[in-house]
Amino acid sequence: QLQLQESGPGLVKASETLSLTCTVSGGAITTGTYYWGWIRQPPGEGLEWIGSIYYGGITYYSPSLKSRVAMSVDTSKNQFSLKLRSVTAADTAVYYCARDVNYDEFFFDHWGQGTLVTVSS
Amino acid sequence: SYELTQPPSVSVSPGQAASITCSGGKLEDKYVCWYQQKPGQSPVVVIYQDRKRPSGIPERFSGSNSGNTATLTISGTQALDEADYYCQTWDGTTYVFGTGTKVTVL
Repeated sequence: QLQLQESGPGLVKASETLSLTCTVSGGAITTGTYYWGWIRQPPGEGLEWIGSIYYGGITYYSPSLKSRVAMSVDTSKNQFSLKLRSVTAADTAVYYCARDVNYDEFFFDHWGQGTLVTVSS
Repeated sequence: SYELTQPPSVSVSPGQAASITCSGGKLEDKYVCWYQQKPGQSPVVVIYQDRKRPSGIPERFSGSNSGNTATLTISGTQALDEADYYCQTWDGTTYVFGTGTKVTVL
């Protein structure tokens, strides 16, 4: 059974960089044609896609966040990571990592439990 | 940028059908999926590629997509179906989520 687990600081100061890692278990991150994505959800609000990455390093990002986002993959650890620069209070959200079924179907079929990141002023 | 619009809330009586709409320009030309999210939990996909159900999802969940509107229908709604529902599509370069609909089973 594929499982994803987010990890990282729950509190980040405004103007600094948010860094999260997603550890994948129960399957190799290099398997198949899957991408690996990040989605966030501000408290009481809806879902927002941040970006997705292929294990080979191909990335695509939300246009609204592209200038501040960087994603990477560590195949040796079966992990992928998110960095979001220059955060503000508007970046406070639950951050989810998920498997992106990008090839022909376009949806997220396995999700992590999510981690709340609060940006403090 | 592409947008998907959903009604904020839908109410349904137990045993009745609930329909949730998702509107976007030429949506029928894109694949739509639907997620169910219960409080404090991660989203779970209940429909993908407009009308396909993942294994383990009850048959009472069905989907359609025509024109500018995709629809998620829950037949014989049960109390455990009370949740937020989000549609989502891929517009060629970006994943877009709908605004979300809270389904209340009265």
